[in-house]
Amino acid sequence: EVQLVESGGGLVQPGGSLRLSCAASGFTFSSYAMHWVRQAPGKGLEYVSAISNNGGSTYYADSVKGRFTISRDNSKNTLYLQMGSLRTEDMAVYYCARRRRDGSGNYYDYWGQGTLVTVSS
Amino acid sequence: QSVLTQPPSVSAAPGQKVTISCSGSSSSIGSNYVSWYQQLPGTAPKLLIYDNNKRPSGIPDRFSGSKSGTSATLGITGLQTGDEADYYCGTWDYSLSAEVFGGGTKVTVL
Repeated sequence: EVQLVESGGGLVQPGGSLRLSCAASGFTFSSYAMHWVRQAPGKGLEYVSAISNNGGSTYYADSVKGRFTISRDNSKNTLYLQMGSLRTEDMAVYYCARRRRDGSGNYYDYWGQGTLVTVSS
Repeated sequence: QSVLTQPPSVSAAPGQKVTISCSGSSSSIGSNYVSWYQQLPGTAPKLLIYDNNKRPSGIPDRFSGSKSGTSATLGITGLQTGDEADYYCGTWDYSLSAEVFGGGTKVTVL
């Protein structure tokens, strides 16, 4: 059974830093690209960042570029999101999601349960 | 403001049908496959439809998807109270080099 379990969320002051983790199990982690998607309270889904299966390529939404860093450790089956210079608008539930590509489209076939990041003084 | 446009809400009686539209552009829906996600209250999103019209294992055939040009549609027939949720469309946008989503549509069973 595919499982994605996020951790690391919490309360942080504006300008602060936080590192999120996503522990993967039930599949060959190193075979899949992974993404972070966030959802602000009462709002819709927003793409945050992506990383290729081997970690060689990373991508970011303009809203977090230069402040967030995505990485992965395939030996530990874990995805990370290092968040810096946090702003109140970064407050959201952060989901890690497995990116599936089957020759046609790309989509998120599995999602974690999410971890809440609260940015407040 | 979301890149893809969905109606904020739709509603119908149990057993009836609802459709949810998702409008994009030539660089998003017009150039890529569309997926749909269901988010039940207080839970993570769940894949409902991928590649415009394919259902993952375990998703009932009451759910269907289609795409035409720069728009996509999710249909739900035989509406059940358990279908009350937020529904999101998503696709890749080549001009933004990012996955984009609709703002979500809340389905209410009357």
